[in-house]
Amino acid sequence: QKEVEQNSGPLSVPEGAIASLNCTYSDRGSQSFFWYRQYSGKSPELIMSIYSNGDKEDGRFTAQLNKASQYVSLLIRDSQPSDSATYLCAVTASNSGYALNFGKGTSLLVTP
Amino acid sequence: GAVVSQHPSWVICKSGTSVKIECRSLDFQATTMFWYRQFPKQSLMLMATSNEGSKATYEQGVEKDKFLINHASLTLSTLTVTSAHPEDSSFYICSAFGQGEYEQYFGPGTRLTVT
Repeated sequence: QKEVEQNSGPLSVPEGAIASLNCTYSDRGSQSFFWYRQYSGKSPELIMSIYSNGDKEDGRFTAQLNKASQYVSLLIRDSQPSDSATYLCAVTASNSGYALNFGKGTSLLVTP
Repeated sequence: GAVVSQHPSWVICKSGTSVKIECRSLDFQATTMFWYRQFPKQSLMLMATSNEGSKATYEQGVEKDKFLINHASLTLSTLTVTSAHPEDSSFYICSAFGQGEYEQYFGPGTRLTVT
């Protein structure tokens, strides 16, 4: 069973702070990594994708990937109350085409 | 990003009846679509991979005779929950790759309640 692990939280940060979300995965053959944001009752929304080691920045979001450590993270700078949601880490399964294995998600609460 | 739609957005049905959920790619062709299920407070679990023009590939533990998938065109995949029971009540979400992309985009989901 290929696992994707996330701390369920809730992670509480004040408005304007940096939120740091972490994810580890067990499938060494995984090649693609994604962060999705999911608001309660809604479907996931793609925030970031990362495919190679290092950092990838997009606006207030930075994804970091370390394949040797099987670790991927998401940093949210200048956190806003509207960022409050569950953040899902997803990893492609090496033996299932491009299907995604999801972590259980980290609940983020940004307080005004 | 690519746009994926689902219909209906929510449905209530009686135990023993069948329900069909449609997933459409609106501005691109999708040879492969995925169907996920999400129970409350849990993450998304892949149910099956839907391939245009061929049989779907089901994940272990998912009954293919209960969850019928038809991917009859490059823009439409359907999931039919047959003989639904209350334990099938869940949030069903489809996804597809944007054309030429490696990123999956999700439909808005269908909330199924079986009474």
